[in-house]
Amino acid sequence: DTAVSQTPKYLVTQMGNDKSIKCEQNLGHDTMYWYKQDSKKFLKIMFSYNNKELIINETVPNRFSPKSPDKAHLNLHINSLELGDSAVYFCASSQDNRANEQYFGPGTRLTVT
Amino acid sequence: SQKIEQNSEALNIQEGKTATLTCNYTNYSPAYLQWYRQDPGRGPVFLLLIRENEKEKRKERLKVTFDTTLKQSLFHITASQPADSATYLCALEGGTGFQKLVFGTGTRLLVSP
Repeated sequence: DTAVSQTPKYLVTQMGNDKSIKCEQNLGHDTMYWYKQDSKKFLKIMFSYNNKELIINETVPNRFSPKSPDKAHLNLHINSLELGDSAVYFCASSQDNRANEQYFGPGTRLTVT
Repeated sequence: SQKIEQNSEALNIQEGKTATLTCNYTNYSPAYLQWYRQDPGRGPVFLLLIRENEKEKRKERLKVTFDTTLKQSLFHITASQPADSATYLCALEGGTGFQKLVFGTGTRLLVSP
């Protein structure tokens, strides 16, 4: 069983479109995250939810909107996609929002043309 | 400004030797530090966590040290194997009180037979 899963794995779309990436964890964790890894492999946190509540919101354009319908799911919706949004997006989860290891999903490679 | 520095150049070593990777940081006072492994096309995988009051942590062939005076962590892999070849990321607790991890850019390790 995959602990943290993301769909889709690859996403190719044109500038200006709106797209969503879905994430699910079956670990029973309370906290979930979205990260962006750019072409230089720099991994940066975007958002974190704890028990469906937003607790970390980095300086991300408001075209990015996370949604957590329940503790096991954290989706990322992106409006008006731009070329600079091309990256690999990783979802992760941890037991809670304290010092715990994070479990990462396989990533979604987004390419905006 | 805050910085986390890992060797950007790949580290090449021979099988059986000890690999030592460095993570230096400035203008942070992390309560803990984590190390992750990332293989191409995959999400990071947690390896070790060390807290500010711990000098050293071990797990099988892995050892991590944390020197809060030098603002440095060293990550060692003893008796390295070709299967250890990957990118290794250090991640600091970002000081928000929540588990916000700030990642370094990673060091690629290549272990040759």
